[in-house]
Amino acid sequence: GAVVSQHPSRVICKSGTSVKIECRSLDFQATTMFWYRQFPKKSLMLMATSNEGSKATYEQGVEKDKFLINHASLTLSTLTVTSAHPEDSSFYICSAAGEETQYFGPGTRLLVL
Amino acid sequence: DQQVKQNSPSLSVQEGRISILNCDYTNSMFDYFLWYKKYPAEGPTFLISISSIKDKNEDGRFTVFLNKSAKHLSLHIVPSQPGDSAVYFCAASAGGTSYGKLTFGQGTILTVHP
Repeated sequence: GAVVSQHPSRVICKSGTSVKIECRSLDFQATTMFWYRQFPKKSLMLMATSNEGSKATYEQGVEKDKFLINHASLTLSTLTVTSAHPEDSSFYICSAAGEETQYFGPGTRLLVL
Repeated sequence: DQQVKQNSPSLSVQEGRISILNCDYTNSMFDYFLWYKKYPAEGPTFLISISSIKDKNEDGRFTVFLNKSAKHLSLHIVPSQPGDSAVYFCAASAGGTSYGKLTFGQGTILTVHP
């Protein structure tokens, strides 16, 4: 299957700082990428849909000014958590829409101290 | 409002037996359903999908059944193997494909004992 990578896999930061997470489709071009968040022992919750060359579409309740999404190319989308707080600590997963299905990245564990 | 529900948080089966994981949905607009397998600290891996125009799809040891009238789908794994132990998520999409927004259930932890 197609490969999607995320970087970093794990990040610890201080409260108030910003963190950037990269999502790359390694062997295919993805016009659409998705960002999910998973709380411990909970479902994956869609945060936003990222379309190459246009503004992201955010789900209800997700602060677009806090979770900045940029989809600058057909293989790269970034999620920046601005002014991170401990409640932003979570597992963030991206996916890229391929020819047959969505392919998920391995996820990024964010811990805000 | 949980539109996709997996009411069993966990399931334990013996190696070689059948594993049946269940999923219910409430949104009538959903017309494409998927099952994903996930290990801790990893992203979900696609297993099998089914369109609403079908009631069954089979791929090796994995079979997904869809009952549209009951808004219910299930994943059967036969025979179950210890390597199948993971969290299984069902997901649903409106629009006939998996390219768009996916709504996930809460997941079921499957443990297959040797």
